[in-house]
Amino acid sequence: GQQLNQSPQSMFIQEGEDVSMNCTSSSIFNTWLWYKQDPGEGPVLLIALYKAGELTSNGRLTAQFGITRKDSFLNISASIPSDVGIYFCAGPSIQGAQKLVFGQGTRLTINP
Amino acid sequence: ETGVTQSPTHLIKTRGQQVTLRCSSQSGHNTVSWYQQALGQGPQFIFQYYREEENGRGNFPPRFSGLQFPNYSSELNVNALELDDSALYLCASSLDTNTEAFFGQGTRLTVV
Repeated sequence: GQQLNQSPQSMFIQEGEDVSMNCTSSSIFNTWLWYKQDPGEGPVLLIALYKAGELTSNGRLTAQFGITRKDSFLNISASIPSDVGIYFCAGPSIQGAQKLVFGQGTRLTINP
Repeated sequence: ETGVTQSPTHLIKTRGQQVTLRCSSQSGHNTVSWYQQALGQGPQFIFQYYREEENGRGNFPPRFSGLQFPNYSSELNVNALELDDSALYLCASSLDTNTEAFFGQGTRLTVV
């Protein structure tokens, strides 16, 4: 079945550092979504990617849709304390666009 | 414009009982999707409702059922609760089945 694998599972960094995480799949996805989830909250969409090779930014966040359509990357530059949380990649399941498959998440912890 | 709201925020039930979780979709949204998020995992798609009809279902047993009402709010019902049903249940609404979904804060269900 469709599965998304995220790495690393967790990251411990210093404030101000850049962060890089990725998401891979054995099957092709036509859309890649990156979400952030804070404790006690639902996921919030950060960036959506719709075309292979696409590079999209949202403030200090940049995400890329891999050429093979089997991977995606999320970078955060100059991390700040509010970047702490769990980052999920997601893509549409074979059932349809908003029936999403999620990765298991990358937990980001920032030391001040 | 109000966002997606879920109730209750927390719930404790005993194994074998039944539970109903509620979701009010964002104003103007006709599509509601439900997800189960176990601790330390990404959300898993349960099912989607579009204009009061079930529109796709994930790999969950029939004791997970739902409803969507004419005002597009939705319920998730789980019968014969099992310990493994303990999770955060997330509702997401979207304008239709192909546009961005916005998540509620979730209902934390604990089965003892």
